[in-house]
Amino acid sequence: NAGVTQTPKFQVLKTGQSMTLQCAQDMNHNSMYWYRQDPGMGLRLIYYSASEGTTDKGEVPNGYNVSRLNKREFSLRLESAAPSQTSVYFCASSLQGTLETQYFGPGTRLLVL
Amino acid sequence: DQQVKQNSPSLSVQEGRISILNCDYTNSMFDYFLWYKKYPAEGPTFLISISSIKDKNEDGRFTVFLNKSAKHLSLHIVPSQPGDSAVYFCAASASGNNRKLIWGLGTSLAVNP
Repeated sequence: NAGVTQTPKFQVLKTGQSMTLQCAQDMNHNSMYWYRQDPGMGLRLIYYSASEGTTDKGEVPNGYNVSRLNKREFSLRLESAAPSQTSVYFCASSLQGTLETQYFGPGTRLLVL
Repeated sequence: DQQVKQNSPSLSVQEGRISILNCDYTNSMFDYFLWYKKYPAEGPTFLISISSIKDKNEDGRFTVFLNKSAKHLSLHIVPSQPGDSAVYFCAASASGNNRKLIWGLGTSLAVNP
């Protein structure tokens, strides 16, 4: 039982490159989330998926797209990376919605040069 | 505009003593509050929560107090242990708005042996 897994753990991109951050959970959770954490800022919600087949914007969605591939997997795509997207990205899942405990992955550290 | 504020970036406490972490909020619509703990290079883990219909919730060494009139909550850890050294995040949500979690910036707790 791995919980929430994220790949890669660390990535360096050049400005303008694209990449997809992968997230998977094995807890049969319905809701999944993508956050970013920057120095001096709390966690900020990028996108979330309340249930399979649905996605919604969070606080800071610009520059990102998401895909809820199936119940287990929720990916985050940067189409054209910018230095402002340098951050630590966390994926989380919960049984159903934010009144349930969110379980977080270990994070992906992204550096955009 | 920070709706959830943790005004102390860091706190240092002796082992065995009480740790008190504070959190203030500005949005009177928040009705559910959570504390998460985060170790370096890991994702946050849920610690304890409280609904606005309560003023106290206890789980082992951890107690959260909510003062709605002051828009203030606090997390008490008694007794503090070196393994409690981590960053503690306060988060809040309101019904509606899909109950997105709004996070504070975190307080880094160091428990000294």
